[in-house]
Amino acid sequence: QKEVEQNSGPLSVPEGAIASLNCTYSDRGSQSFFWYRQYSGKSPELIMFIYSNGDKEDGRFTAQLNKASQYVSLLIRDSQPSDSATYLCAVNGNSGYALNFGKGTSLLVTP
Amino acid sequence: DTAVSQTPKYLVTQMGNDKSIKCEQNLGHDTMYWYKQDSKKFLKIMFSYNNKELIINETVPNRFSPKSPDKAHLNLHINSLELGDSAVYFCASRRAGVTNEKLFFGSGTQLSVL
Repeated sequence: QKEVEQNSGPLSVPEGAIASLNCTYSDRGSQSFFWYRQYSGKSPELIMFIYSNGDKEDGRFTAQLNKASQYVSLLIRDSQPSDSATYLCAVNGNSGYALNFGKGTSLLVTP
Repeated sequence: DTAVSQTPKYLVTQMGNDKSIKCEQNLGHDTMYWYKQDSKKFLKIMFSYNNKELIINETVPNRFSPKSPDKAHLNLHINSLELGDSAVYFCASRRAGVTNEKLFFGSGTQLSVL
């Protein structure tokens, strides 16, 4: 399985701060990149995907991709306690079929 | 209507037993997956089927056998269950050939082997 690396955390940020979540991947042929959020006991839900170098913004979320460095990140602005969850980075390889996940970063937003 | 449904939600069984988990999607997707999530939240792909054909088979013990009777269903049968099989198993689906397409997940089956 292709490697997708994330810091497991927990990452703790105060309410209202910016949370920065990072992910690196080993397959240089990877084409698209996803961030999923998973609450305890629930299934993963998609927050954003990105496939071009640069930034992509959606509300309080910004995904950043740097294919040269094989690095993708997720910024959460104005973090809320409801953002506390595990964030999973997923990478779609060349084959187009497999979506490989990192081990997730646990985020805790404290009031 | 639930897009990807899997049953049962909880499965508690003894070591050595055989059990099955069923998955159905009503999204018209061609590709379906089984993922295993361990206690540390690592979501690892096990199998993928495209239009009833097995296309991904990661290093999984052959006690695990997926079966796809049609493209809307992908079941997982596990023989001779072991303690290490305890995990949450997620079924997922998405459209084939669209690399930006998101995965739709089922609600998961928590398997506990005693």
